[in-house]
Amino acid sequence: EAQVTQNPRYLITVTGKKLTVTCSQNMNHEYMSWYRQDPGLGLRQIYYSMNVEVTDKGDVPEGYKVSRKEKRNFPLILESPSPNQTSLYFCASSLFGRLNYGYTFGSGTRLTVV
Amino acid sequence: QKEVEQNSGPLSVPEGAIASLNCTYSDRVSQSFFWYRQYSGKSPELIMSIYSNGDKEDGRFTAQLNKASQYVSLLIRDSQPSDSATYLCAVNLVNNNDMRFGAGTRLTVKP
Repeated sequence: EAQVTQNPRYLITVTGKKLTVTCSQNMNHEYMSWYRQDPGLGLRQIYYSMNVEVTDKGDVPEGYKVSRKEKRNFPLILESPSPNQTSLYFCASSLFGRLNYGYTFGSGTRLTVV
Repeated sequence: QKEVEQNSGPLSVPEGAIASLNCTYSDRVSQSFFWYRQYSGKSPELIMSIYSNGDKEDGRFTAQLNKASQYVSLLIRDSQPSDSATYLCAVNLVNNNDMRFGAGTRLTVKP
């Protein structure tokens, strides 16, 4: 089954404790992206990647890191999480240059930072 | 001005009625337009895409695009309680090569 897999689904952590949210897709998509979703603000892009070893900042990259060492994986790293990073996070993928096909989203990660 | 704007709702319609959801966008050169449905706590699911002016129908859903007015809409005919969700409008901005989302319209279909 074609899908984007995110883990974990739920995570509660403390301020400053480094964490990684994993994202993997099995559709051979070049383009992958991370979004956060907050009430009233909609989906805001954090980082995106057009292919292996090619990443770029989205609208809200502060406090986040990403890497793209393999085509299928695009982990999101929070080096020192803070409470304002409490949010619902989505990974998404698409064929590069063919965004007119839309995104496939992962099932989401609800992160709480206390 | 936000790049993609939607009325946040909530929009409430009775079962069997037509639900009309609207979206405006600011980038005139946008090429691809999408509607995603998102149930509470779930991920967005693509339900419609449209690329040229006019109407596109898929089952009970009709997407309408007017590039001159920078306006895209989604009509849901014979609305069902299972259509109750937040509907996200998304636009592919050619210059940025990424997707921009509206904040979503919450739809409630009452039995």
